[in-house]
Amino acid sequence: GENVEQHPSTLSVQEGDSAVIKCTYSDSASNYFPWYKQELGKRPQLIIDIRSNVGEKKDQRIAVTLNKTAKHFSLHITETQPEDSAVYFCAGGYQKVTFGTGTKLQVIP
Amino acid sequence: GAGVSQSPSNKVTEKGKDVELRCDPISGHTALYWYRQSLGQGLEFLIYFQGNSAPDKSGLPSDRFSAERTGGSVSTLTIQRTQQEDSAVYLCASSRGQGSYGYTFGSGTRLTVV
Repeated sequence: GENVEQHPSTLSVQEGDSAVIKCTYSDSASNYFPWYKQELGKRPQLIIDIRSNVGEKKDQRIAVTLNKTAKHFSLHITETQPEDSAVYFCAGGYQKVTFGTGTKLQVIP
Repeated sequence: GAGVSQSPSNKVTEKGKDVELRCDPISGHTALYWYRQSLGQGLEFLIYFQGNSAPDKSGLPSDRFSAERTGGSVSTLTIQRTQQEDSAVYLCASSRGQGSYGYTFGSGTRLTVV
């Protein structure tokens, strides 16, 4: 089955700086890579996703990149704000997704 | 419905009792997933249903866990003879289909086994 690894487990940045979270996957058949944001005590919510026929996707301050050859994908958040503080999960798969272990992002005002 | 609905939101049960957790997916979503999240941990896949196909049960941790989905809509996750290690938040999600569709999660059932 798919194995998704995520780094770092915790990340602290100053407000306004950029944050980058990286994930690797093992199954070359995986073709869908979503990212979820989970605020404390809340449910995970989809923030952006990318499919394997695309190398990069951007939505306002967030962007994802995918390198199929190296089997890794990344989330980039620019101009971070305190409300970006949360746990972020990457995921990958083709019928169902396997989640990474999460990155706790803290944006310091 | 407008979102994925799960019930109960909280459940405290004694060790050895059986529990049933319910999930009502978004209307029209053919795929339904159950995940488990222990405190401060990631999301562990349990089972998924897609339309009328046989469910993928590969994530169920033991034969005490089972799930069914009636009429392609509501799903029930049953845990028999609960153990303390079963304590976690059980999250249900649905999507428009299997594959490259994002999940919409319910708010979860927090299960505490005492």
